[in-house]
Amino acid sequence: DAGVIQSPRHEVTEMGQEVTLRCKPISGHDYLFWYRQTMMRGLELLIYFNNNVPIDDSGMPEDRFSAKMPNASFSTLKIQPSEPRDSAVYFCASGSSRGGELIYEQYFGPGTRLTVT
Amino acid sequence: AQKVTQAQTEISVVEKEDVTLDCVYETRDTTYYLFWYKQPPSGELVFLIRRNSFDEQNEISGRYSWNFQKSTSSFNFTITASQVVDSAVYFCALNNAGKSTFGDGTTLTVKP
Repeated sequence: DAGVIQSPRHEVTEMGQEVTLRCKPISGHDYLFWYRQTMMRGLELLIYFNNNVPIDDSGMPEDRFSAKMPNASFSTLKIQPSEPRDSAVYFCASGSSRGGELIYEQYFGPGTRLTVT
Repeated sequence: AQKVTQAQTEISVVEKEDVTLDCVYETRDTTYYLFWYKQPPSGELVFLIRRNSFDEQNEISGRYSWNFQKSTSSFNFTITASQVVDSAVYFCALNNAGKSTFGDGTTLTVKP
């Protein structure tokens, strides 16, 4: 089975530009997570979805960030406008609760390394 | 609020030594999952183990073993006979009803 797929793997953009990161979760998983990793702040949960519905977006840094999950096989994280401090590795992960409340497993994509100049 | 503490920022050992990575967590929930992930220099996050809050049985997988003690809120990870390929950042994480909290990670360097 294919793992979590993220695109692009690397993105370099100028301050003020719009950036869209994409994620395809593992088929059958009902949870999807977006994380950001930086040296200063470590791994931060930005937002997560359950059955395509956003459940908790309290980790989204500000209104410049938005995330959508239009269907079970696709999600986007958009930054508009981007700023240099948004430079980080953005991970998408998907997980399965197998019908319960807890996440039995959570698998990460390879990440998108974003550089905003 | 949930919190995961990995007090060891960096550990350096020589190949074949045993090493234990500590993880202490805080949660008010009685039902939760604990995880360990490995992040090698290539950057991906690799799932290693999951343990639920009702199962305190220790687990061994090859050179890896995990010790879960609910009484001390700890979920420690031991690598026996470490190898250079074990060099990575290791993250402990707590999950309840979807929300995940990660520790800051422990950077393990295994020298030949």
